[in-house]
Amino acid sequence: EVQLVESGGGLIQSGGSLRLSCAASGFTISNNYMSWVRQAPGKGLEWVSVIYSGTSTYYADSVKGRFTISTDNSKNTVYLQMNSLRAEDTAVYYCARDADCGGDCSSGAFDIWGQGTIITVSS
Amino acid sequence: DIQMTQSPSTLSASVGDRVTITCRATHIINNWLAWYQQKPGKAPKLLIYMASNLASGVPSRFSGSGSGTEFTLTISSLQPDDFATYYCQKYNSYVYIFGQGTKVEIK
Repeated sequence: EVQLVESGGGLIQSGGSLRLSCAASGFTISNNYMSWVRQAPGKGLEWVSVIYSGTSTYYADSVKGRFTISTDNSKNTVYLQMNSLRAEDTAVYYCARDADCGGDCSSGAFDIWGQGTIITVSS
Repeated sequence: DIQMTQSPSTLSASVGDRVTITCRATHIINNWLAWYQQKPGKAPKLLIYMASNLASGVPSRFSGSGSGTEFTLTISSLQPDDFATYYCQKYNSYVYIFGQGTKVEIK
């Protein structure tokens, strides 16, 4: 079964750091663009970051310079290192797979999502 | 930056109704436009990709259309399981942008 399972969430003080993990099964993460998407309480979805073509990365302006996405292909796991956390980073963080596109490319859509992990940043 | 605006923000409808949700972009975009359904406490579910392609396992009452700056998601006959929040999302050059969402409520 194709699946993503996030972990690492919790309560953290403003200015602190946290690392989220996303363990994939049923497919190989190096074959897909992998992203993190977040959702603040009662709000809509906000894309955070993508990793593609092995080590290339891109970030939303709201997290650029504070968050780092990475992968460990031996563990088939995607990570999100979050530093200098702010109250506005409080959200459910989802790991999401960009659907297969037949190569090193994006399909433009997320077909597999994890269950989410909750980050609460206290000020 | 291209922004995505959905309308309406909330929609009240009855079972059996035909429902249309619109997503407008501030600039002409390619057809890398997707639609998702999200229920409370759950992860989003992909419904439509590339503007009009039905994702695997999604009922045929869902359809997507549009091009340029205006795209629509249509539910031909609303079912009880369809009451949820719907998001559009575009992709361009490694950036993914979501619309603000449309909540479909029971009338």
